[in-house]
Amino acid sequence: EAGVTQFPSHSVIEKGQTVTLRCDPISGHDNLYWYRRVMGKEIKFLLHFVKESKQDESGMPNNRFLAERTGGTYSTLKVQPAELEDSGVYFCASSQGIGPYTEAFFGQGTRLTVV
Amino acid sequence: LAKTTQPISMDSYEGQEVNITCSHNNIATNDYITWYQQFPSQGPRFIIQGYKTKVTNEVASLFIPADRKSSTLSLPRVSLSDTAVYYCLVGGRRGSTLGRLYFGRGTQLTVWP
Repeated sequence: EAGVTQFPSHSVIEKGQTVTLRCDPISGHDNLYWYRRVMGKEIKFLLHFVKESKQDESGMPNNRFLAERTGGTYSTLKVQPAELEDSGVYFCASSQGIGPYTEAFFGQGTRLTVV
Repeated sequence: LAKTTQPISMDSYEGQEVNITCSHNNIATNDYITWYQQFPSQGPRFIIQGYKTKVTNEVASLFIPADRKSSTLSLPRVSLSDTAVYYCLVGGRRGSTLGRLYFGRGTQLTVWP
């Protein structure tokens, strides 16, 4: 069974440009989450989808970040326009609706560098 | 979710048992305790989860005292490949949808030959 897949693995863009990150969750997982770690900081929650609906977007830093999950399958996270402080590793995770353990399966992350 | 406190780093040698303790004084009655492992350039990976007493799986054991204000992750006979960051998290009620996770700084475990 495929795990959580993120694309691209690395992205280097200039300040002011737009970048779109993609996440494919584990098939059948209704819950999809975005997290990020900026340099030297902790992994921070961004938002949580249940199917195509935003369950919790309290962690989104500002309106330059837009997350979508059309059709309740894969999700995209767009940063527009990117700023230097957006550099970091963006993780996507998914989980079952209700399972034997309440665990999240994480992708390998997308390393975003804004120069 | 309850805030957790764990050592920033630990060192061990191959073959030794490693115990990483986490304190979570404000844990709620329904909260579970979960440990994740993260290798460089990878996302966190679930290791073990428990509510009270002791839980053991093929990777680790989790010891939780009666007051549940702390927990200890035990890794038997560590190898070089166990070098990673270990995160202790509380929350995630079994039988309900998993919400946001709160990651602290984690514990950087380094295993030496």
